Amino acid sequence: GAGVSQSPSNKVTEKGKDVELRCDPISGHTALYWYRQRLGQGLEFLIYFQGNSAPDKSGLPSDRFSAERTGESVSTLTIQRTQQEDSAVYLCASSSRDRGVGYTFGSGTRLTVV
Amino acid sequence: SQQGEEDPQALSIQEGENATMNCSYKTSINNLQWYRQNSGRGLVHLILIRSNEREKHSGRLRVTLDTSKKSSSLLITASRAADTASYFCATDKVDSSYKLIFGSGTRLLVRP
Repeated sequence: GAGVSQSPSNKVTEKGKDVELRCDPISGHTALYWYRQRLGQGLEFLIYFQGNSAPDKSGLPSDRFSAERTGESVSTLTIQRTQQEDSAVYLCASSSRDRGVGYTFGSGTRLTVV
Repeated sequence: SQQGEEDPQALSIQEGENATMNCSYKTSINNLQWYRQNSGRGLVHLILIRSNEREKHSGRLRVTLDTSKKSSSLLITASRAADTASYFCATDKVDSSYKLIFGSGTRLLVRP
């Protein structure tokens, strides 16, 4: 596609429920990233996929968080047993393997846990 | 953990003035990038400067990089109200993965 697409754009869920966030990267971008941004703060790295390599999961805050990516296409970020502290904007970005170019971000999913 | 830290956290200027934002980082980098964010949603890539470059320009943007001081600055000249946004620096550390680490951002307000 022309840009990085994320869905849903907004999600309100009850504490304890599971949520799935979706990211559709730019076609041909081998790298895909998930970040979390709490209100008024910077971006916190969560996970990074590069082609068929093992993902870098070093930023996932707990075992309630997991992510999958099928080949070089769509990725889903799953948060199990959501907590109020999970409320944030979840941003997805994709890039080519070339380190000389920047990321292209989606518009994010605003997650509110009530 | 934060690699880049921006300074100041917030900046308010009059339209037409220049805005300067600074970024400091801790470890060796391949490149440093600046992004802009409007209304707390998606970020837009502004400019990338490689570790062997000292200065780069793009329109009204000027970025400098001092690897000896591990710092960078973003200058926006002749600011406009539409430049109001949050600006983030991000570093591509020298390791095996291309994974950007973002700072906490500078909130810029340009008053008309």
